[in-house]
Amino acid sequence: EDKVVQSPLSLVVHEGDTVTLNCSYEVTNFRSLLWYKQEKKAPTFLFMLTSSGIEKKSGRLSSILDKKELFSILNITATQTGDSAIYLCAGAAAGSYQLTFGKGTKLSVIP
Amino acid sequence: EPEVTQTPSHQVTQMGQEVILRCVPISNHLYFYWYRQILGQKVEFLVSFYNNEISEKSEIFDDQFSVERPDGSNFTLKIRSTKLEDSAMYFCASSEARPGEGTQYFGPGTRLLVL
Repeated sequence: EDKVVQSPLSLVVHEGDTVTLNCSYEVTNFRSLLWYKQEKKAPTFLFMLTSSGIEKKSGRLSSILDKKELFSILNITATQTGDSAIYLCAGAAAGSYQLTFGKGTKLSVIP
Repeated sequence: EPEVTQTPSHQVTQMGQEVILRCVPISNHLYFYWYRQILGQKVEFLVSFYNNEISEKSEIFDDQFSVERPDGSNFTLKIRSTKLEDSAMYFCASSEARPGEGTQYFGPGTRLLVL
């Protein structure tokens, strides 16, 4: 059975701090890994990673995939209170239509 | 920016009743999905739909569940006889390509409460 594990499960930081969220995966016929941000309701897409070692960046957020060690990290620099959310990691397998999600990391950024 | 929409946002029903959750996927997308998230738990895959048929379903998606694309825009999830354990947030998603090749975009969800 495919599995995605995220750590830590929750994290409290001060505004301006840098955080690193971890995601390890065991996905048969792995194709890609996706990061989502979930605030009140819908997960909103952040990144999709398919190649090892290539950093994807969007503003203060960046992410990288290591297909040898089967993990990904999501970095957020200079955190703001608006970054407070649950960050979800999901694996996608070739030939499958479903995403396998981790439990998420709840990030709280305090002023 | 195009987005997935879902109605209703909240639904309260009695155990044993039928419910229909509705979704309007992004218009040029070809793949449609339903996921659910029980409070405090992971987002779980229910079913995917492509080319007017179910392409994949999970163990959760038993005979009580069905999906339909009744017209060119709507995508529905029907639960025939709701159980207490069906209480959850139900998310619809759509994508241009398969997961891993294209991104799945999620709707805001329908919170279903079964009493």
